[in-house]
Order: sequence, then C-alpha cells, then structure tokens
Amino acid sequence: KQEVTQIPAALSVPEGENLVLNCSFTDSAIYNLQWFRQDPGKGLTSLLLIQSSQREQTSGRLNASLDKSSGRSTLYIAASQPGDSATYLCALHTGGFKTIFGAGTRLFVKA
Amino acid sequence: NAGVTQTPKFRVLKTGQSMTLLCAQDMNHEYMYWYRQDPGMGLRLIHYSVGEGTTAKGEVPDGYNVSRLKKQNFLLGLESAAPSQTSVYFCASSETQGSNQPQHFGDGTRLSIL
Repeated sequence: KQEVTQIPAALSVPEGENLVLNCSFTDSAIYNLQWFRQDPGKGLTSLLLIQSSQREQTSGRLNASLDKSSGRSTLYIAASQPGDSATYLCALHTGGFKTIFGAGTRLFVKA
Repeated sequence: NAGVTQTPKFRVLKTGQSMTLLCAQDMNHEYMYWYRQDPGMGLRLIHYSVGEGTTAKGEVPDGYNVSRLKKQNFLLGLESAAPSQTSVYFCASSETQGSNQPQHFGDGTRLSIL
C-alpha cells in the first residue's frame, strides 16, 4: 500500500534562507507527483507537477525533484520570503483515480 | 477566471440534518473530485466523476452521495449528517487523467456537525 510521508510537519526559517521540503513514498509505481501550496482557509494551489518519466521541474524560485528509486521528492525554495509561509503538500497520482496526499509541511518564514 | 467555485464556504449542521455542497468549474474539465481534509491527515477521495452523468466511489464514500447532471457541476450530498463528517471538503477538477494534467482545487467548504 502506497504511503506518503512529509517530514517535518512544521518548519520555521529566517527570511532569505534556502530550504528543502521532503516527501517520501513507499511504492515507486507512480504516474506523477504534484506539489501544492495551501494558505490558511484556502484551497490547494498547484506549484509543480513532475511526470513519472521526469527528474525535476522548475518554476521561479521553486525546484522539485523526483527520485523514484529512493522513493523521494524534494521541493527546494530559494531565497525564502515571508510570503512563502503556507502549508506545502505533495500528492502522488498512482494511476486510475487514485491520488495519495501527504499531510503537509507547515512553513513559516520569519521577516 | 473563476476556476473551481465551492458553495457554501461555511456551514454548521445538527446531527441528522441533510445538505448539499455545490462545486462548479468553468474550465470544461471532464474529471471532478470530492475530497475531505482532516487535521494531521492527507486529503482523502470521497467520490469522483469522469464525465457528465457518471460517478464513482473513492476511498471514503460512506455517508455521502454525489451527482453530476451537468458537466460543470458536481454535487456532494450528506443525507443524515454525523459528527464524524465534520471536516473541510474540497472539490477539484482536471482535464484528463494524463500524467501531465494537474488537479485544480476550490477554496473548500468548512462543515461542522454538532
């Protein structure tokens, strides 16, 4: 059974720091992996989607990598800003209509 | 530029009451989904639809019903609300199930059952 784990559950960093958020999974048979941002009281905003055949995707200050052999994905945020404070979720699409979400990492960037 | 719109945004119900949550998308997506999000847990799929007139059960379907009478709308119903259904409900849509197709989410409905 596929399980998705995001550690740590919460993270606090000073503004300007580069940081890495982790997502680990137990089964390498995935269709794609998506990183979302969730602001308090809001829905999920898609940040990056990595297809199974890809190793990484970049958008602005964000870079997401995928290593199926080790069951890991990372979301790298460069030069963090207070506006980056949010909960970050990873979600694995395992085929069919099955998408498994992690519980998220709550990020707080201090000014 | 609405995307996925959910109504209502908040609701408080008494145990045993019924209600319907509405999801509307303006992106002409074929696929629509209902999830629930509980503290400390990932989102879990309740029901989904692959097109107008079709619905299917997800991971946690008990106590819920859905309908997709129009392509742009996906309704989630609670026939007899229970405290265990207190949660935040999210609707999502996607164009297809292709590996490069992201899901787009609404802002959620916060539902409390007393």
